[in-house]
Amino acid sequence: QKEVEQNSGPLSVPEGAIASLNCTYSDRVSQSFFWYRQYSGKSPELIMSIYSNGDKEDGRFTAQLNKASQYVSLLIRDSQPSDSATYLCAVNQGGKLIFGQGTELSVKP
Amino acid sequence: DGGITQSPKYLFRKEGQNVTLSCEQNLNHDAMYWYRQDPGQGLRLIYYSQIVNDFQKGDIAEGYSVSREKKESFPLTVTSAQKNPTAFYLCASSSLAGVGEQFFGPGTRLTVL
Repeated sequence: QKEVEQNSGPLSVPEGAIASLNCTYSDRVSQSFFWYRQYSGKSPELIMSIYSNGDKEDGRFTAQLNKASQYVSLLIRDSQPSDSATYLCAVNQGGKLIFGQGTELSVKP
Repeated sequence: DGGITQSPKYLFRKEGQNVTLSCEQNLNHDAMYWYRQDPGQGLRLIYYSQIVNDFQKGDIAEGYSVSREKKESFPLTVTSAQKNPTAFYLCASSSLAGVGEQFFGPGTRLTVL
């Protein structure tokens, strides 16, 4: 079992819709969780951090964490074509980040 | 401006050559990391350093070497022992006193000819 798993996609949503990206992790002691956005050919950019169970909102982005079920998700409201990218989930384990393979999101105008 | 710089942006290497990738940060971060990314895949940790003059192997350290002589700098050498070095190399840093947020440089794309 992979330590951090994501659906590889591609996930296609129409402009203005809600995009939902999911991630599961195997290490129950993990305490820090991150979402990165990576445009093609570019480096990852941190967009959300979450440490406690529940929701954390930042603009059009909402991160959701459920430690009991070991999953973390990212919702993007009012999706825009500029949101088209690969989204990487990362989990902190002992000071190191373990990355999922990423989910490719395509927002169609 | 605070940030992480990597050079060069593109690098071409002949088989059998060693090459060194540069990573510099002015964020005053204690920890620095090197990752490798292959097409369609996530990031894999090569080496990391949490303090000057100390570093640890990551998951795929074979064929690579690093040094950490200064807090700001963490160069990566890709040696001829690395059999498949063509990849996108990413350097990151984080505050050791923080909660693990890592910030990435722009990356170096290495191609073996």
